[in-house]
Amino acid sequence: GESVGLHLPTLSVQEGDNSIINCAYSNSASDYFIWYKQESGKGPQFIIDIRSNMDKRQGQRVTVLLNKTVKHLSLQIAATQPGDSAVYFCADRNTGNQFYFGTGTSLTVIP
Amino acid sequence: SQTIHQWPATLVQPVGSPLSLECTVEGTSNPNLYWYRQAAGRGLQLLFYSVGIGQISSEVPQNLSASRPQDRQFILSSKKLLLSDSGFYLCAWSVGSLDGYTFGSGTRLTVV
Repeated sequence: GESVGLHLPTLSVQEGDNSIINCAYSNSASDYFIWYKQESGKGPQFIIDIRSNMDKRQGQRVTVLLNKTVKHLSLQIAATQPGDSAVYFCADRNTGNQFYFGTGTSLTVIP
Repeated sequence: SQTIHQWPATLVQPVGSPLSLECTVEGTSNPNLYWYRQAAGRGLQLLFYSVGIGQISSEVPQNLSASRPQDRQFILSSKKLLLSDSGFYLCAWSVGSLDGYTFGSGTRLTVV
């Protein structure tokens, strides 16, 4: 199946700093991308999405950047807070309309 | 509003025993339904998806099966559990192919 890989499995940041989580995808035909946040013992929750006709989308404290040339996706979290500690997954939708998820990046916020 | 219910939250089962996990969705009609498994330290692996009653697609060969007896009910089953079936099982739904998935709270299955 599709592979959606993440560059770093773990990331530690100081509270108040900005976090950047990266993701590489393999299918150049992927047209829709989502970032999910999964807290321990819970199901993933939608954070932000972006479609392939955009290269940037902003939400509340989060920004997703899409670089289709190099098939790279990133999630930026501004002023990281302890509540942001979680595993973050990127997912891409392929031509079969199914989403494939990467391994995830574990973000730890240091108070 | 739409909600998704998944139970039980945790389950410990002996090897060789049967399994039945249930997922139901409220507040929507004809959703696409999905079962994912998440092993420790790994991503989400799609097991089954369904676009309608009685329609099941399997992504990977395994010891599990799925059924959709009603529009908003999705069941994951096994006749005989293996140790390797342990993991965190997540149900998800979507409407059409335009949006992302909404996940349930998951079931932690430990096969002993």
